[in-house]
Amino acid sequence: GQNIDQPTEMTATEGAIVQINCTYQTSGFNGLFWYQQHAGEAPTFLSYNVLDGLEEKGRFSSFLSRSKGYSYLLLKELQMKDSASYLCAVKDSNYQLIWGAGTKLIIKP
Amino acid sequence: ETGVTQTPRHLVMGMTNKKSLKCEQHLGHNAMYWYKQSAKKPLELMFVYNFKEQTENNSVPSRFSPECPNSSHLFLHLHTLQPEDSALYLCASSREGEGAAGELFFGEGSRLTVL
Repeated sequence: GQNIDQPTEMTATEGAIVQINCTYQTSGFNGLFWYQQHAGEAPTFLSYNVLDGLEEKGRFSSFLSRSKGYSYLLLKELQMKDSASYLCAVKDSNYQLIWGAGTKLIIKP
Repeated sequence: ETGVTQTPRHLVMGMTNKKSLKCEQHLGHNAMYWYKQSAKKPLELMFVYNFKEQTENNSVPSRFSPECPNSSHLFLHLHTLQPEDSALYLCASSREGEGAAGELFFGEGSRLTVL
């Protein structure tokens, strides 16, 4: 079966750095997405990786290793507004999105 | 504002009621989706419409009935629901095709409670 694994919850301190990992086992690969979802709001697109390596976008970076079935989202200079759930999703060989259950990130002052 | 609008935001219905969820996208996308989101579970894809044609129906019970009259509008008709259908229902749209990553743009969701 197809599976996406990510930690259920993480806690970090304002101003620090946090890395949220995502591992996947899917039938084929056509890209990996990260979304942010604040409580009571819609998920919003953060990043897309289809080739190995690091994609940087301001305070957020996303890394992909296709050979290891692994990605991470790196958040720097954490702010209180970064408290949210972070969803990892992979497009399989049929271009269907397989979703992880999300990682709830709690930022403490 | 994501360009995808869902109504109503909250809905409470009895098991014998009939109601509809509405979604509209203003992004010129060619694909629209209904997802179900339950606490601590991955997003569950319910239906996909590509260029107004339904391309996915992931074994969704017939008490959920989608309708896509044009590429900008999507409905989810609900009837004789069960309490376990209580969840957040998310509409999304994307641009699919050559060269497109296909990232999803979500609406704010419709929080459904079935009594």
